[in-house]
Amino acid sequence: RKEVEQDPGPFNVPEGATVAFNCTYSNSASQSFFWYRQDCRKEPKLLMSVYSSGNEDGRFTAQLNRASQYISLLIRDSKLSDSATYLCVVNSNSGYALNFGKGTSLLVTP
Amino acid sequence: NAGVMQNPRHLVRRRGQEARLRCSPMKGHSHVYWYRQLPEEGLKFMVYLQKENIIDESGMPKERFSAEFPKEGPSILRIQQVVRGDSAAYFCASSPPAGGVYEQYFGPGTRLTVT
Repeated sequence: RKEVEQDPGPFNVPEGATVAFNCTYSNSASQSFFWYRQDCRKEPKLLMSVYSSGNEDGRFTAQLNRASQYISLLIRDSKLSDSATYLCVVNSNSGYALNFGKGTSLLVTP
Repeated sequence: NAGVMQNPRHLVRRRGQEARLRCSPMKGHSHVYWYRQLPEEGLKFMVYLQKENIIDESGMPKERFSAEFPKEGPSILRIQQVVRGDSAAYFCASSPPAGGVYEQYFGPGTRLTVT
C-alpha cells in the first residue's frame, strides 16, 4: 500500500465552482500534513499545512481525520489560476523527509 | 532574497555518461534535501544533508548515486553511468536548522533526460 494515496483526477470544473480533493495516508504515526501545489513542470509550493482542528486560508479549507487517516482540501469559488496539480504530503517516520502523493490534477475552465 | 537555486535546469546525457546536479540553498539554510520525481509519479525522498555530512541517504539507489554538501559551494547530486530509468525531475529543497518538514523550500528542479 502506498504511503499517500490520492485520486489522480483530472477534475474539470467551471470557474466559481467548489471542488474537493481527498487523500489517505498509511502511517498512523504521521504527525505533519500538508497540501502543496505544483504547476506544470515547476517545483512544488506549500499551499497550506493541515491541522487536526481544520484550517482555512481564504478560499481554501483543509481538514484532517486522524481516525480515518484521511485529509481533504476544499477550494471554493475556483479561479482559472487554481488550475494545477495538488499534492497531499505527509511527514515520514524520519520526521524530516516528506512523503508525497502523486497529486490530483485540477483544471478550472471559463 | 534569492530562493533555492538549481542548475542546470535541463540536462541531457547519453546512457553511460555522468550527470552532476547542483543545488544552492537559500541564504541562511544549512540543510538540503534531494527528491526525485519520475514521470507520472510523486516526489520521492532521496537524501538529506547538512554541511559536510550525509544525515540520511535511505532513499538513494544503492549504486551509481552519490550526494555531497561541502563546506563551501553547492550541494551536488551525482549520477554515474546514467540509464534511461534515471530520466526524471530532480528537486532540491533547503531548510534552516530547525525547519525540518515545516520549512522546506524547493528549487525549480533539474530535468534529466537520458537518451
